[in-house]
Amino acid sequence: SYVLTQPPSLSVAPGETASITCGGSSIGVKSVHWYQQKPGQAPVLVIYNDQTRPSGIPERFSGSNSGNTATLTISSVEGGDEADYYCQVWDGTGDVFVFGTGTTVTVL
Amino acid sequence: EVQLVESGGGLVQPGRSLRLSCVASGFSLNDYAMYWVRQAPGKGLEWVSGINSNGGTIGYADSVKGRFSISRDNARNSLHLQMNSLRTEDTALYYCASPAWPHQLTPFNYWGQGILVTVAS
Repeated sequence: SYVLTQPPSLSVAPGETASITCGGSSIGVKSVHWYQQKPGQAPVLVIYNDQTRPSGIPERFSGSNSGNTATLTISSVEGGDEADYYCQVWDGTGDVFVFGTGTTVTVL
Repeated sequence: EVQLVESGGGLVQPGRSLRLSCVASGFSLNDYAMYWVRQAPGKGLEWVSGINSNGGTIGYADSVKGRFSISRDNARNSLHLQMNSLRTEDTALYYCASPAWPHQLTPFNYWGQGILVTVAS
């Protein structure tokens, strides 16, 4: 089965840049979506199709995808960005959606 | 405003059944793929199942295959998940979710607030 690996946690100071990776075999040929989940809340889509921001998501959120790694980048991190972040792809081989293991971002 | 509201959760004994529902408002489910995603306490997101706009099943996670069944009732603008032979490891918050565009499979733009299913004796 297809596996997406993310670092469990990431700490970043306010104003700095957070880069969250999502590793998977040849993930670069797949469309990657990213979700933000704050405690006690449902997930929110922040990036879709590798690099597109839904309306209402700040420009500070961006994405890229190449080779075996997709990356969600949060520029000028704010306290409100503290959350868990998950990547997601469709695995056509198994006909299943796969979520990454999740990364907890802590703003120092 | 689009809203997805789940219901039907609760405490159930191992081996028993439960049926979850998700009612949509603010849009018609008819043309949209719909999904169930779950999250065990303190754990990450796990895709459970999906159904496309014409009622065809998109698939099931291996962990629920053969035990869970997804369906939709377009007349009632609702999505369902029939869960049979429940196990303690099925304990989770269950979300329904959908894309924002008709006839598209992804991404999951809209999410309900989730409904808790607890499987315990």
